[in-house]
Amino acid sequence: SQTIHQWPATLVQPVGSPLSLECTVEGTSNPNLYWYRQAAGRGLQLLFYSVGIGQISSEVPQNLSASRPQDRQFILSSKKLLLSDSGFYLCAGADNNSPLHFGNGTRLTVT
Amino acid sequence: GDSVTQMEGPVTLSEEAFLTINCTYTATGYPSLFWYVQYPGEGLQLLLKATKADDKGSNKGFEATYRKETTSFHLEKGSVQVSDSAVYFCALTAGGYQKVTFGTGTKLQVIP
Repeated sequence: SQTIHQWPATLVQPVGSPLSLECTVEGTSNPNLYWYRQAAGRGLQLLFYSVGIGQISSEVPQNLSASRPQDRQFILSSKKLLLSDSGFYLCAGADNNSPLHFGNGTRLTVT
Repeated sequence: GDSVTQMEGPVTLSEEAFLTINCTYTATGYPSLFWYVQYPGEGLQLLLKATKADDKGSNKGFEATYRKETTSFHLEKGSVQVSDSAVYFCALTAGGYQKVTFGTGTKLQVIP
């Protein structure tokens, strides 16, 4: 079965600084990949999903972007962080044979 | 569009109490239904799933039955433990595993 790796686990960044969160997948090929954000005390918001290399769909307009340079690599980025970007970011993957598997998340605090 | 509605939390129960967390959904076609659990500070783990009407998903003492007539997928457990304290998310996907729609989550706290 697939395993989702995310890092770092926690991150504190000042407002206006750049962001790069990385996610890699093991145990499957050509997965669908997803970035979710979970704000404190709230549910999951789908930010981006990708069905293949270089293919990114954005669900909500925002200060973030995503890229998929390799089949099993998914990156979440920002050029300038805002306070409202704080939250818990989860990477997930799914393929035709299995439902979503999640990584352990990155806790981002923008100060 | 697709949507999932869960009961508001938090839910506080004593150990060994019976648990029900309600979940109803709206979807086109015939969705697959899931319950995920999130322990503090961690990502989400798949708890159970059901892919067609009348299927019962079960795992770790938790059960949920896919009820098409009531568009529901309520989570139940006969006797909760302190270790079950977590946030539980109901979710659905229609047309394969392309996109999953989540409910807002229900926090469960079990006290000794």
